[in-house]
Amino acid sequence: EVQLVESGGSLVQPGGSLKLSCVASGFTFSNYWMDWVRQTPGKSLEWIGEINTDGSKTNYAPSIKDRFTISRDNAKSTLYLQMSNVKSDDTAIYYCTRFDREDFDYWGQGVMVTVSS
Amino acid sequence: DIQMTQSPSSLPASLGERVTISCRASQGISNNLNWYQQKPDGTIKPLIYYTSNLQSGVPSRFSGSGSGTDYSLTISSLEPEDFAMYYCQQDASFPPTFGGGTKLELK
Repeated sequence: EVQLVESGGSLVQPGGSLKLSCVASGFTFSNYWMDWVRQTPGKSLEWIGEINTDGSKTNYAPSIKDRFTISRDNAKSTLYLQMSNVKSDDTAIYYCTRFDREDFDYWGQGVMVTVSS
Repeated sequence: DIQMTQSPSSLPASLGERVTISCRASQGISNNLNWYQQKPDGTIKPLIYYTSNLQSGVPSRFSGSGSGTDYSLTISSLEPEDFAMYYCQQDASFPPTFGGGTKLELK
């Protein structure tokens, strides 16, 4: 059974940093592109970025503006999201997702990040 | 970015009813349109990819159609577990974008 389990969410002050993790199981992690998607309170879903299978290529949403970094450790089947210089608008539930050719075919349960002083 | 507009934002319906949710893209997306279901506990599940292809395990009462800029998700006969949020998403152009969501609720 495919599972994606995020962790690392917390309360962080504006301008601070936070690193989210997503541990994958039930499939060959190194064979898939992985993405992060977030959902702000009461709003829709926003794609944040993606990373290719070996971690050599990343793409980000323009709105992120170099503040976030996606990485992966295939030996640990783990995806990461390093968040820096966070703002109140970054308050959201962050989902780890697997991309399979056409769509995001598996999602984690999500982890809450709250940016507040 | 391609803007995705869903309608309606809220859809009251009854068990056994046939419902349709619409999704309009701000420009043509060549059938690169996916649908997702989100339950109240936050769990997100893919339903349909590339306009009309059902994901594995999705009941046949779900169907998708459309072309160009206009797409739709139809549920032929509502079951209790279908009351949830639904989102469309385009994968035709970077960055991928989602619709604002449709809340399907029990009338």
